Amino acid sequence: QVQLRQSGPGLVKPSGTLSLKCVVSGVSLSSSNWWSWIRQSPGQGPEWIGEVYHSGATNYNPSLRSRLTISIDNSKNQFSLQMTSMTAADTAVYYCVQRTSGHWSKFFQQWGQGSLVIVSS
Amino acid sequence: DIQVTQSPNSLSASVADRVTITCRTSEIISNYVNWYQQKPGEGLRLLIYGASTLASGVPSRFSGSGSGTDFTLSISSLQPDDFATYYCQASYTAPYIFGQGTKLEVK
Repeated sequence: QVQLRQSGPGLVKPSGTLSLKCVVSGVSLSSSNWWSWIRQSPGQGPEWIGEVYHSGATNYNPSLRSRLTISIDNSKNQFSLQMTSMTAADTAVYYCVQRTSGHWSKFFQQWGQGSLVIVSS
Repeated sequence: DIQVTQSPNSLSASVADRVTITCRTSEIISNYVNWYQQKPGEGLRLLIYGASTLASGVPSRFSGSGSGTDFTLSISSLQPDDFATYYCQASYTAPYIFGQGTKLEVK
């Protein structure tokens, strides 16, 4: 059974950097999946942040690209998110997610437990 | 970017009702639409992928249809566990966009 377990600080100062990690069990990161980060601000729909492949290739949301680094460590079966220049607008629940591709489909199959990140001094 | 519009924003219904939620995309995306369920304080649960394929473990009262720009999620006979918020998501190409959600409430 695939499980994603995420960790990181719940409080980040304005202009600071958010760092989150996601450890995956039950499947190798080298499998044919992309590994994504998605966030959800209070009362809002989810927002896709970006994703990484086991090769290190990445796709980023253009609206956040300049502030993002998503990386992968295949030896530890984990991937990470760094987001710089945090503001109150970045306060949200952040999820790490397995994205799977099938026949005429791409979907977010397995989700981490979510991490509430509050940006405040 | 592709725009995704869900309707209605909220819906009141009773147990055993049949309900339908619609999702419209700004571009033709074949059947690259997925549907998710979210309950308060929880993460998202995949219900339907590829517009019409039921995810593993999802009850058969859930169904999805559509292709191109217009898609629907139907629940044939509402159960108490189904009152939640539902999101559609366009997955043809990055960035992957979610709809604003439909909150399904007890009438």
